[in-house]
Amino acid sequence: EAGVAQSPRYKIIEKRQSVAFWCNPISGHATLYWYQQILGQGPKLLIQFQNNGVVDDSQLPKDRFSAERLKGVDSTLKIQPAKLEDSAVYLCASSSSNQPQHFGDGTRLSIL
Amino acid sequence: LAKITQPISMDSYEGQEVNITCSHNNIATNDYITWYQQFPSQGPRFIIQGYKTKVTNEVASLFIPADRKSSTLSLPRVSLSDTAVYYCLVGDLGGGADGLTFGKGTHLIIQP
Repeated sequence: EAGVAQSPRYKIIEKRQSVAFWCNPISGHATLYWYQQILGQGPKLLIQFQNNGVVDDSQLPKDRFSAERLKGVDSTLKIQPAKLEDSAVYLCASSSSNQPQHFGDGTRLSIL
Repeated sequence: LAKITQPISMDSYEGQEVNITCSHNNIATNDYITWYQQFPSQGPRFIIQGYKTKVTNEVASLFIPADRKSSTLSLPRVSLSDTAVYYCLVGDLGGGADGLTFGKGTHLIIQP
């Protein structure tokens, strides 16, 4: 089966600019996750969707980060405006009910 | 959120068995324990998942004592290609209030 697809693989922007990441989960997976992984640390959950509804966004910095999952399939994560501390890899994962998550290879974001 | 502790790094040799322990003292009733392997520039890859006692698959075993406050990932007969970062993930897969928390990772180095 095809894995989780993410794009772009790399993105470089200046602080205060906006950026968006796209994720296409494994077909049939109802649950989708966005994580932030800062260099040398474990992934931190930003938001979890069940179909197109939000299950957990308690660690999402809502003043600058937003995410949507229209039609319960693809998802986009947006940062506006970006700060230097947002430099990280943004990982998307998906799973079917109560099964292990499968991860994409992420988008590496660099803020100048 | 669960508080997770795992060793920062470990060394071993080809052909040896490696055991990596994760401490999660405040694990919640609905939480599962999942282990992932991550190589540079890739997303985490699922290794094994369990709730209690022992789970074994073709690549690893997972030991969880009765109090569930720790877990041990066992990799039999490691090879050089097992050099990677290993993460322990604790949380309610269904998106409970306790969320999903990754440890900071254990950098495993296998020498010839």
